[in-house]
Amino acid sequence: GAVVSQHPSRVICKSGTSVKIECRSLDFQATTMFWYRQFPKQSLMLMATSNEGSKATYEQGVEKDKFLINHASLTLSTLTVTSAHPEDSSFYICSGATARQETQYFGPGTRLLVL
Amino acid sequence: AQSVSQHNHHVILSEAASLELGCNYSYGGTVNLFWYVQYPGQHLQLLLKYFSGDPLVKGIKGFEAEFIKSKFSFNLRKPSVQWSDTAEYFCAVSLTGGYNKLIFGAGTRLAVHP
Repeated sequence: GAVVSQHPSRVICKSGTSVKIECRSLDFQATTMFWYRQFPKQSLMLMATSNEGSKATYEQGVEKDKFLINHASLTLSTLTVTSAHPEDSSFYICSGATARQETQYFGPGTRLLVL
Repeated sequence: AQSVSQHNHHVILSEAASLELGCNYSYGGTVNLFWYVQYPGQHLQLLLKYFSGDPLVKGIKGFEAEFIKSKFSFNLRKPSVQWSDTAEYFCAVSLTGGYNKLIFGAGTRLAVHP
């Protein structure tokens, strides 16, 4: 199956700093990439959808200025959590999908802890 | 708004027992249906999916699911579970066409005891 990687897998930062998370599709071209947030013992909540070369579409309640998404190529999308606060601590997961398929392939996730 | 309900939040079984995890969705249009599994410490993996055709779908590792349109259901089954099936299982729905937005259920945590 298609492989998606995320980097870093775990990050700890101080409150007020910004953190960038990378999502890469390793063996396919991801026309669309998705960013999810997963709280402990809860399901995945979609944060935003990005198409290569376009602005991301954010879900209701997700601050676009706080969670900056860039999808500059067909294999790379980045999520930057700006001015992170402890309530932003969570597990962030990305996925990729091709234009021809309607299946998403998920990355291993990034655990963010903001102190 | 579309939603996905998974009836069982936590299931405990002994090895060789049969498994059925419920999943219902609310949407009147045509949908694609998925079951994903998340093993401890690992990322989400696709178990099986239904887009169209035969409503009984077979996936990896002996899992299958049946789409019953009249009941808006897509229950996951396995006739005989193994300890290695211990994981969290997520049902998800996407609308056909569009940009593949997935709506996930809350997940069911399965623990299989030897």
